[in-house]
Amino acid sequence: DSGVTQTPKHLITATGQRVTLRCSPRSGDLSVYWYQQSLDQGLQFLIQYYNGEERAKGNILERFSAQQFPDLHSELNLSSLELGDSALYFCASSAIPGTGGREQFFGPGTRLTVL
Amino acid sequence: SQELEQSPQSLIVQEGKNLTINCTSSKTLYGLYWYKQKYGEGLIFLMMLQKGGEEKSHEKITAKLDEKKQQSSLHITASQPSHAGIYLCGADRHSGGSNYKLTFGKGTLLTVNP
Repeated sequence: DSGVTQTPKHLITATGQRVTLRCSPRSGDLSVYWYQQSLDQGLQFLIQYYNGEERAKGNILERFSAQQFPDLHSELNLSSLELGDSALYFCASSAIPGTGGREQFFGPGTRLTVL
Repeated sequence: SQELEQSPQSLIVQEGKNLTINCTSSKTLYGLYWYKQKYGEGLIFLMMLQKGGEEKSHEKITAKLDEKKQQSSLHITASQPSHAGIYLCGADRHSGGSNYKLTFGKGTLLTVNP
């Protein structure tokens, strides 16, 4: 158990809908990262927050947005969902930002299925 | 193009056989990570390699980072069904200043037949 929690574990929705994925980082970690894993693209970095502020952006679509709250949990919002958004979404956390994979701990993921 | 290339994409071996998975980068690797993932589940951290020539082992899994720090290999000795899963390599990429971000290869799907 990495200490990073993600809810829900599974999510099934329809095209055009909007969903919110939630992540709670390990106790004491200030930085949260979101990744998307799909069969064709593999595991790709989406966005990073550090202590409530956006720190880095990766291949995140404009339909997607995220935020980190004062209690350090983070939410990833996906809107106008398309079939291609079906994927496994991972959250990771670290105490120190910008250290790459050295101190990133991954959550169990949320499997999103768009029908 | 993919920054990290893993080969093979998939591998089927008989229980007890040895196998090797490779991870190749076109750029110098600052930190190289190996993860294992059961289908549809989270990532399990296996090992981190940082120095050229470094080699680490955990149980029957050995990972090496070559001297030029542009390729890593993961070797499993006497494979068991419990080794089955997706093996992902990840690498730190310099993203400005003193910051690094983690990028991944597409993974190698390992099947071990009893």
